[in-house]
Amino acid sequence: EVQLVESGGGLVQPGESLRLSCEASGFSFRNYWMSWVRQAPGKGLEWVANIKEDGSERNSVDSVKGRFTISRDNAKNSLYLQMNSLRAEDTAVYYCARGYPWAYWGQGTLVTVSS
Amino acid sequence: QSALTQPASVSGSPGQSITISCTGTSSDVGTYNYVSWYQQHPGKAPKLMIYDVSNRPSGVSNRFSGSKSANTASLTISGLQAEDEADYYCTSYTSSSTYVFGTGTKVTVL
Repeated sequence: EVQLVESGGGLVQPGESLRLSCEASGFSFRNYWMSWVRQAPGKGLEWVANIKEDGSERNSVDSVKGRFTISRDNAKNSLYLQMNSLRAEDTAVYYCARGYPWAYWGQGTLVTVSS
Repeated sequence: QSALTQPASVSGSPGQSITISCTGTSSDVGTYNYVSWYQQHPGKAPKLMIYDVSNRPSGVSNRFSGSKSANTASLTISGLQAEDEADYYCTSYTSSSTYVFGTGTKVTVL
């Protein structure tokens, strides 16, 4: 059974950093692109970033460029999102999702940026 | 990277058909067939309903269908059921090698 479990969310102040993790199981992680998608409270979905199977290609939405870094460790079946210089508008539930199309999603982890 | 445009809400009676539109540009929906649709119930993760414009994953009811014309993609739900009441989002690949979601549509079953 495919499982994606996010962790690392929490409450941080503006300007601080946070690292999200997504642990994958039930499939060959190294064979799939992986993405992060977020959803602000009461708002719509927003694609954040993705990374190629071997980590050689990464893409991200303009609003997080230079602040967020997506990475992966295929030996640990894990996906990461390093979030620096956090802003109030980054407050959201962050989901990891497998490949494209995104047939498998995690349950999400809530990041709250507030002073 | 503006969000794709969807109607805020669509409603229908049980058994009826409804269509949700998703309008983009020539930099996303108009050029790429990587358009997919997701259903999201409150407090839940999104669920894939349609991918590559019109393909249905196994396990998804054949009451759901997708199409595309020029810069607009559409999701049709036929034989509307109470369980279809949810938020629906389209998404498309873009010429910037990114993805963009639609603004979302709340479907209400009257």
